Amino acid sequence: QKEVEQDPGPLSVPEGAIVSLNCTYSNSAFQYFMWYRQYSRKGPELLMYTYSSGNKEDGRFTAQVDKSSKYISLFIRDSQPSDSATYLCARIVGNQFYFGTGTSLTVIP
Amino acid sequence: DGGITQSPKYLFRKEGQNVTLSCEQNLNHDAMYWYRQDPGQGLRLIYYSQIVNDFQKGDIAEGYSVSREKKESFPLTVTSAQKNPTAFYLCASSPRTGPLSNQPQHFGDGTRLSIL
Repeated sequence: QKEVEQDPGPLSVPEGAIVSLNCTYSNSAFQYFMWYRQYSRKGPELLMYTYSSGNKEDGRFTAQVDKSSKYISLFIRDSQPSDSATYLCARIVGNQFYFGTGTSLTVIP
Repeated sequence: DGGITQSPKYLFRKEGQNVTLSCEQNLNHDAMYWYRQDPGQGLRLIYYSQIVNDFQKGDIAEGYSVSREKKESFPLTVTSAQKNPTAFYLCASSPRTGPLSNQPQHFGDGTRLSIL
């Protein structure tokens, strides 16, 4: 059983659209959640890091955690071609890290 | 700037050859990790180390070896026993370990290994 499930996409949107990326997870232990962005041939870059339920905002990015539904989401407002990348969700439970397989996003100018 | 440096960026291995991938960090992080990334499979943990001179096997350790002689360095050797080594290898580090270790990992820019 995978600890984090993520739709691989690919997802293609026009520039300026609102993007919604989603993951589900399998249990409700004390844990933290992260979103990473990975450009082609590069390592993942940390975008968002959050624990509590609700929203955390950073510029055009909002991370949302719904613990009752075991759902984590990343919203990108006013999407730009430079947002084209693979986005990975992840969670930390104790000192164990669990990563989703990534969603490929293309923003079309 | 602080960060994680992986070298080389591209590496080619001949049949029966061992190759070593370098990972150096100047973030003063305690824990270091090696992952393998294949298309459609996400990140798979090879080895991790929480402290100098100690390391543990991850989910796919067979055919790989590591050492942790210095806090800053965590090299990965891909041995000839690894029959399918072609992949993108990522090194990561995080500040703390143990029950209060809830700190995210930071990644290097990877090494792409191919078979000749």
